[in-house]
Amino acid sequence: DTAVSQTPKYLVTQMGNDKSIKCEQNLGHDTMYWYKQDSKKFLKIMFSYNNKELIINETVPNRFSPKSPDKAHLNLHINSLELGDSAVYFCASSRTFNGGGAASNEQFFGPGTRLTVL
Amino acid sequence: KNEVEQSPQNLTAQEGEFITINCSYSVGISALHWLQQHPGGGIVSLFMLSSGKKKHGRLIATINIQEKHSSLHITASHPRDSAVYICAVDPYFGNEKLTFGTGTRLTIIP
Repeated sequence: DTAVSQTPKYLVTQMGNDKSIKCEQNLGHDTMYWYKQDSKKFLKIMFSYNNKELIINETVPNRFSPKSPDKAHLNLHINSLELGDSAVYFCASSRTFNGGGAASNEQFFGPGTRLTVL
Repeated sequence: KNEVEQSPQNLTAQEGEFITINCSYSVGISALHWLQQHPGGGIVSLFMLSSGKKKHGRLIATINIQEKHSSLHITASHPRDSAVYICAVDPYFGNEKLTFGTGTRLTIIP
């Protein structure tokens, strides 16, 4: 069974469109993340949710809106897509336990969604 | 300047060689992660450590908290080890977010 899954794997769209990427984890984790990997392969945190609550919101344009309907799902909706949004987006999840922060626990990554904006 | 620096950026070695990838960071941390990104794009967590040394198969990760430095070693390297290796840290008071290094691209030639 896939631990962290994302759909779609590839997404090609025109500038100005609105699109969504879905993420689901079946690991029972309580924290989920969205990361963006640019063309130079540099990973950067975008958002983090813990028990459906937003805990990290980096300097991301408000065209990006995450939604967590439950602990197992964290979706990413992007409005008015721009050329610079082209990247690979990774979802990840982790546990929080023993008082440690979620980022101090092992993270499990989804396969990534390659978004190309034309 | 990135808070997490990796070296080398690119490394090509012959099969069987001992590989070392280095990671230096500039802030106090709660934990350091080593990740592997395969040519196909998937990311796998290799190690998470906050002190000492961990070993998994042919992979060894060490960390020196005082020197703010970690190394990832691969013994008896194999072409299937070819991947990008990424170091990431969870800074103290970092609001539970990882800060990533720029990665080291490793190519093992048969």
